[in-house]
Amino acid sequence: AQSVTQLGSHVSVSEGALVLLRCNYSSSVPPYLFWYVQYPNQGLQLLLKYTTGATLVKGINGFEAEFKKSETSFHLTKPSAHMSDAAEYFCAVSDQRARGGGNKLTFGTGTQLKVEL
Amino acid sequence: DAGITQSPRHKVTETGTPVTLRCHQTENHRYMYWYRQDPGHGLRLIHYSYGVKDTDKGEVSDGYSVSRSKTEDFLLTLESATSSQTSVYFCAIRIQDNEQFFGPGTRLTVL
Repeated sequence: AQSVTQLGSHVSVSEGALVLLRCNYSSSVPPYLFWYVQYPNQGLQLLLKYTTGATLVKGINGFEAEFKKSETSFHLTKPSAHMSDAAEYFCAVSDQRARGGGNKLTFGTGTQLKVEL
Repeated sequence: DAGITQSPRHKVTETGTPVTLRCHQTENHRYMYWYRQDPGHGLRLIHYSYGVKDTDKGEVSDGYSVSRSKTEDFLLTLESATSSQTSVYFCAIRIQDNEQFFGPGTRLTVL
């Protein structure tokens, strides 16, 4: 079974500061990894994903994440926070098998990012 | 671009009444999913479908049923709503590489 742990349900940063949201996963097979963002009263929107290949993945709005197999981590970073980044962020894992398991995603419990002036 | 609509967007109902939520996609994606979102729990899978009339349970399926009679529509039914089913419900479709695209959500309150 797969699982995702997001350390810190709430993270607060100053505008212009580094954003670091942590995600660790467990999976018995090579994973696909995702970060989604949810703005208030909206659905989830894909920020970025790792499938295969380059382990540093760049996404929308200046976010990036690095897949580290040895650490089973997929932390999300952004060099300089903006007020508009305030939202809830979800890490998710899926296995790479094309069949079976329903191609399901397992989500972490989310991290609420607050950006302060 | 993939498009998903969910209806209704908001619903208030009473304990014991049946409720059906609808998810409609504008393309022919095979896989569709229903999740519920609750504070502190993230998103949890209720049921999913891998084709017309092909469905399976997720991790929190008790008290819910689903149906898919057409590729574009996936219905979630609460046969007898309970207060513990007060939640925000999201529908999603699988696009590629297991990436899922989400609908706008339905906020359900059971009194």
